[in-house]
Amino acid sequence: AQSVTQLGSHVSVSEGALVLLRCNYSSSVPPYLFWYVQYPNQGLQLLLKYTTGATLVKGINGFEAEFKKSETSFHLTKPSAHMSDAAEYFCAVSDRGSQGNLIFGKGTKLSVKP
Amino acid sequence: NAGVTQTPKFQVLKTGQSMTLQCAQDMNHEYMSWYRQDPGMGLRLIHYSVGAGITDQGEVPNGYNVSRSTTEDFPLRLLSAAPSQTSVYFCASSYWGRRYEQFFGPGTRLTVL
Repeated sequence: AQSVTQLGSHVSVSEGALVLLRCNYSSSVPPYLFWYVQYPNQGLQLLLKYTTGATLVKGINGFEAEFKKSETSFHLTKPSAHMSDAAEYFCAVSDRGSQGNLIFGKGTKLSVKP
Repeated sequence: NAGVTQTPKFQVLKTGQSMTLQCAQDMNHEYMSWYRQDPGMGLRLIHYSVGAGITDQGEVPNGYNVSRSTTEDFPLRLLSAAPSQTSVYFCASSYWGRRYEQFFGPGTRLTVL
């Protein structure tokens, strides 16, 4: 069965610093990969996705992620953190052969210090 | 478009009570799903539906029932609430052709005493 591991349940960065949130998946066949963001007391919103093609994908709010097959990773980055980036981030995978059910990681809460 | 709507936003139940969480979408999405979110556990799939009249179990279906009589609505029923069902519940929907790219509702926070 597919699984998703997010390293670090809580990451804290200073405003303007690099944001790096780590995600690894377990699958012999590269799945579809996603990052979702959840702002306080809200539902989840798709940040970016990788299905096929270019392995570096850009999302909303200046975030990007790179699919590395050899490392089974899909880490999320942003060059310069903003206070408004404080939220919980979920990495998710979808088995290409399934009916599209998403399997989520446990989430990483990002705090941004002024 | 209202997107995905959920009611109620908050609910408190006593152990053994039953209730229905409502979910509706106005995007004509074929695929709809229910997740529960618990601290440190991420989101776990309860039930899903690939179209009206078709439902299936997810990872944690015990204690929950669903039905899909229309494309728009996908209610989640708690048959006999238990404290272990205290959670935040999210409904999501997507197009069949993009069924892995889901749109989420705002959630229902349920407490079972």
